[in-house]
Amino acid sequence: DGGITQSPKYLFRKEGQNVTLSCEQNLNHDAMYWYRQDPGQGLRLIYYSQIVNDFQKGDIAEGYSVSREKKESFPLTVTSAQKNPTAFYLCASSSIQGGEQYFGPGTRLTVT
Amino acid sequence: ILNVEQSPQSLHVQEGDSTNFTCSFPSSNFYALHWYRWETAKSPEALFVMTLNGDEKKKGRISATLNTKEGYSYLYIKGSQPEDSATYLCAYLSGNTPLVFGKGTRLSVIA
Repeated sequence: DGGITQSPKYLFRKEGQNVTLSCEQNLNHDAMYWYRQDPGQGLRLIYYSQIVNDFQKGDIAEGYSVSREKKESFPLTVTSAQKNPTAFYLCASSSIQGGEQYFGPGTRLTVT
Repeated sequence: ILNVEQSPQSLHVQEGDSTNFTCSFPSSNFYALHWYRWETAKSPEALFVMTLNGDEKKKGRISATLNTKEGYSYLYIKGSQPEDSATYLCAYLSGNTPLVFGKGTRLSVIA
């Protein structure tokens, strides 16, 4: 089955530690995205990538980093510089930038 | 940052009632308007991608209209069922930026 996977579903970290969230897709999509959702907020774009080895900052990129070494994979690192890392993180992909997006199940990150 | 507004934030309807909600977006530099349904404990799923002014799309009991000149889209649900309970997100695409999502309308259908 084609789809997009994120792991783990729940993640707990101590403050000051970097943590990497996984996102993999087998849909052969060129574009991939990372969003963050907080209570009462919509989906806010962290980073997106339109093609392998290229990515752009979204609206709230500070404290995050990404890589796109393979078409299938777009991992997100939440660094210790991110002031409020506790949130629900969603990864998505689309065949082209701006096309219908397919979402993963999300990772809930809790930093204490 | 482009502003996409959805109203109401939440609503409760009785099973069998029809309902609708609104998405407002900038009318300039329009490229597309997306609607997604996000059920609890699931991933958001695309309902419609709309690009043409006056466009109307339908999927079962759910339909959507688009007015790009005045910058709004309506989502209609006819004869709401409990399984329609979800958060409905709209997202606006302009010519040179990625999708911008609204905060969503949370619908609860009471049996």
